[in-house]
Amino acid sequence: AQKITQTQPGMFVQEKEAVTLDCTYDTSDQSYGLFWYKQPSSGEMIFLIYQGSYDEQNATEGRYSLNFQKARKSANLVISASQLGDSAMYFCAYLIQGAQKLVFGQGTRLTINP
Amino acid sequence: KAGVTQTPRYLIKTRGQQVTLSCSPISGHRSVSWYQQTPGQGLQFLFEYFSETQRNKGNFPGRFSGRQFSNSRSEMNVSTLELGDSALYLCASSLPRLAGGRRQETQYFGPGTRLLVL
Repeated sequence: AQKITQTQPGMFVQEKEAVTLDCTYDTSDQSYGLFWYKQPSSGEMIFLIYQGSYDEQNATEGRYSLNFQKARKSANLVISASQLGDSAMYFCAYLIQGAQKLVFGQGTRLTINP
Repeated sequence: KAGVTQTPRYLIKTRGQQVTLSCSPISGHRSVSWYQQTPGQGLQFLFEYFSETQRNKGNFPGRFSGRQFSNSRSEMNVSTLELGDSALYLCASSLPRLAGGRRQETQYFGPGTRLLVL
C-alpha cells in the first residue's frame, strides 16, 4: 500500500526566509500524482502544487516549488520568501491513479516568526 | 467560479443519532470525494462518487454512507453516531484534464464540516 511520510511535525522559520518541507513516499506504481495542500486553522485544505510521476521538470507555482527526486521517492515543498500568512499545516498527498483517492502524510505545522 | 461548498459548517450531535452532511462541488466537476480528519488518525479517505455512482470506498464501517445526485451534489450520512466520529469532514471535487499529454485530476476541497458527538 502507498504510504506518505512527513518527518517534520513542526518547523519554525523567520519571515522572508526560504523553507523546505520534507515528504517521502513509498509506492510500486509507475503512474501517480503528488500534491501539497495547506490547511490554515480554519480547516479548509488549499491546493498548492502538483507533480506528476512522469513530469520531467519540477513543478512551480509562484513562491511554491516542488523538489521532485523520483529515484529517492521524495517530493519536498520549497516556499521561497516566507510570509506570516504561510503559517499553517502543510500536507503532502499521493493520488492513487484511477481510484481518485488521496493518501495523506501526517502533516507539518509551519510557523513563520516576524 | 465558486468553490466547493459544504453545509452545515458546524454540527453537534449526541451518541446514537444520525447526521447528514452536504457538499456542492465546483461547477462542472463530476467527481466528489469525502475525507475524515481526526487528530489521532489524520486524514482518511471515506468514499468517492462519480456520475451518481460510488466508485471507491475507504475502510470505514457501514454506518458511513453517501450518495450523489444528478447535479453532482453529494451527501454523506453517518448513522448511530459514536464519540469517535467527532471529526472534520472534508469534501473535495475534481475534474480530469490533460496536462502535458497526461491525465491530471486535482482535488479541490471545501471548508469542511466540524462534527462534535457528545
